[in-house]
Amino acid sequence: GENVEQHPSTLSVQEGDSAVIKCTYSDSASNYFPWYKQELGKRPQLIIDIRSNVGEKKDQRIAVTLNKTAKHFSLHITETQPEDSAVYFCAATPDFGNEKLTFGTGTRLTIIP
Amino acid sequence: EPEVTQTPSHQVTQMGQEVILRCVPISNHLYFYWYRQILGQKVEFLVSFYNNEISEKSEIFDDQFSVERPDGSNFTLKIRSTKLEDSAMYFCASSRQGLYGYTFGSGTRLTVV
Repeated sequence: GENVEQHPSTLSVQEGDSAVIKCTYSDSASNYFPWYKQELGKRPQLIIDIRSNVGEKKDQRIAVTLNKTAKHFSLHITETQPEDSAVYFCAATPDFGNEKLTFGTGTRLTIIP
Repeated sequence: EPEVTQTPSHQVTQMGQEVILRCVPISNHLYFYWYRQILGQKVEFLVSFYNNEISEKSEIFDDQFSVERPDGSNFTLKIRSTKLEDSAMYFCASSRQGLYGYTFGSGTRLTVV
């Protein structure tokens, strides 16, 4: 089955700087890659996703890049703000119509004011 | 925005007792999922459910676990004889079709004592 590795496990960034979180996956059949933000005690919230037919997707300060050949994808957050502090999870799945998500181990992002 | 609702938000139970966690998926969704998150760890897939039957289950989902859609709106996870290691946050999710509209509920924190 799919295995998703995520790095780093913790990341501290000065407010206004950029943060990058990286994930690798093992199953070449995976073609959907969402990123979730989870605040303490809350549900995972989808912040951005990418499918394998594109290499990059951007939504305001958040972008995701995908390298299907190397089987890795990354989350980029620019101009970080204190409210970006949370745990971020990547996930991967093949899109066959009834999908389980395989999550990475999470990155605790702390924005230092 | 439609939500997946879960009850209770927190449940404390004695080891060996049965618990039922309840979820109300979004009304026009057809695919239902349960995930588990042990404190400080990643979100793990337990089971997916479609057309009144289990589509896929993980190795975590052993004979102690069962799922049911007893009526047109609820989706339940039953743990027959809880163990200390079942203590976790349990998230229900639903989707309209496969990955479309994939939405997590707010979770039930289960504490086994």
